[in-house]
Amino acid sequence: AQSVTQPDIHITVSEGASLELRCNYSYGATPYLFWYVQSPGQGLQLLLKYFSGDTLVQGIKGFEAEFKRSQSSFNLRKPSVHWSDAAEYFCAVDARRADKLIFGTGTRLQVFP
Amino acid sequence: GAVVSQHPSRVICKSGTSVKIECRSLDFQATTMFWYRQFPKQSLMLMATSNEGSKATYEQGVEKDKFLINHASLTLSTLTVTSAHPEDSSFYICSARQVSNQPQHFGDGTRLSIL
Repeated sequence: AQSVTQPDIHITVSEGASLELRCNYSYGATPYLFWYVQSPGQGLQLLLKYFSGDTLVQGIKGFEAEFKRSQSSFNLRKPSVHWSDAAEYFCAVDARRADKLIFGTGTRLQVFP
Repeated sequence: GAVVSQHPSRVICKSGTSVKIECRSLDFQATTMFWYRQFPKQSLMLMATSNEGSKATYEQGVEKDKFLINHASLTLSTLTVTSAHPEDSSFYICSARQVSNQPQHFGDGTRLSIL
């Protein structure tokens, strides 16, 4: 069965520091990959997506993610975190045939000034 | 672009009442809409997938008679929680997708509290 793992439940960084949120998936073929961000009490906003092509994907708010087929990973990065980036981040996989998103358990990001 | 509006944002009602939540795609036509439930500090759990003009496909363990889904147009889907009880209290989020190779776009969610 398809699954998505976000190993870090909670990450704390200082404002201005770099950030990497990890995501690993289990799927036989290359799925569609997504990162979403959720602020408290709100819905999810799409940060970026990977369908095919260039494995380094640029998203909104200065985020990027790199698809590594050999590692079944799709880690999210940002070179310099802002206090407004504090939120819950979800990695999601669309297994194509299943035609639905499978979400990871999320990583809560805290940013200290 | 790709704005999804969900209404109401918060509902508080008595046990036994039915509650309807609306999900609208404002600037695109959504052939498919999805309904999720999210428990505190947890991930999203897909409840059902709804294609316009068709019956919704429910995930295993989700009662279709309890959670009625209607997707009568390409811009509107509704979720009705029938005879709601305190255990139905949760955060419900909808999403909409234009075509199958496009991402889902999410509403802001509905906080449902059953007293």
